[in-house]
Amino acid sequence: EVQLVESGGGLIQPGGSLRLSCSASGLIVSNNHMSWVRQAPGRGLQWVSFIHTGGSTYYADSTQGRFTISRDSSKNTIYLQIDSLRADDTAVYYCAGGRLERRFDYWGQGALVTVSS
Amino acid sequence: YVLTQPPSVSVAPGKTADITCGGTNIVHKTVHWYQQKPGQAPVLVVYDDTDRPSGIPERFSGSNSENTATLTISWVEAGDEADYYCQVWDPSHDDWVFGGGTRLTVL
Repeated sequence: EVQLVESGGGLIQPGGSLRLSCSASGLIVSNNHMSWVRQAPGRGLQWVSFIHTGGSTYYADSTQGRFTISRDSSKNTIYLQIDSLRADDTAVYYCAGGRLERRFDYWGQGALVTVSS
Repeated sequence: YVLTQPPSVSVAPGKTADITCGGTNIVHKTVHWYQQKPGQAPVLVVYDDTDRPSGIPERFSGSNSENTATLTISWVEAGDEADYYCQVWDPSHDDWVFGGGTRLTVL
């Protein structure tokens, strides 16, 4: 059974930084295409970042260079570093992925990030 | 690329719900559908326009034609009440796009 477990969320002041982690079991992250998808309170799903099995990374325009996705194969974990946090980054951040780039077969339970002073 | 969904659909138990996802020439893209119940993570219910992951009831089906993709839920049950999102991959722009979501209410 595939499990994706996010951690690292919390209350952060505007302008701060945080790193979200997504630890995988039942799935090898380096053999799967992984993404981060976020959902602001009461809003829909928004893709934010993707890492290809080959290591290429892609970001939504809305991230404006503040987001960095990475992978540690030895820990079977992916990360999302977010810098210069803003109030509109407040959301539940989901780790998601699968064997094919075009869709998200597996999802974690999400990590809540709240940006507020 | 923009995907347009109706904000809400209501249906009586036992009836059929059609949830649409509009996009320019969407027939040339591969559409996936996710179900999200309150407080839970999304779950893939239909992929590649028409296929179902294991464990998803046959009551869930999908189609894709011209400018509209459709998720059809037959014999709707109270447990189907959820938000449903369509999604496509736009490789020409390195973008993964979701529709705005449709809340299915079972009357």
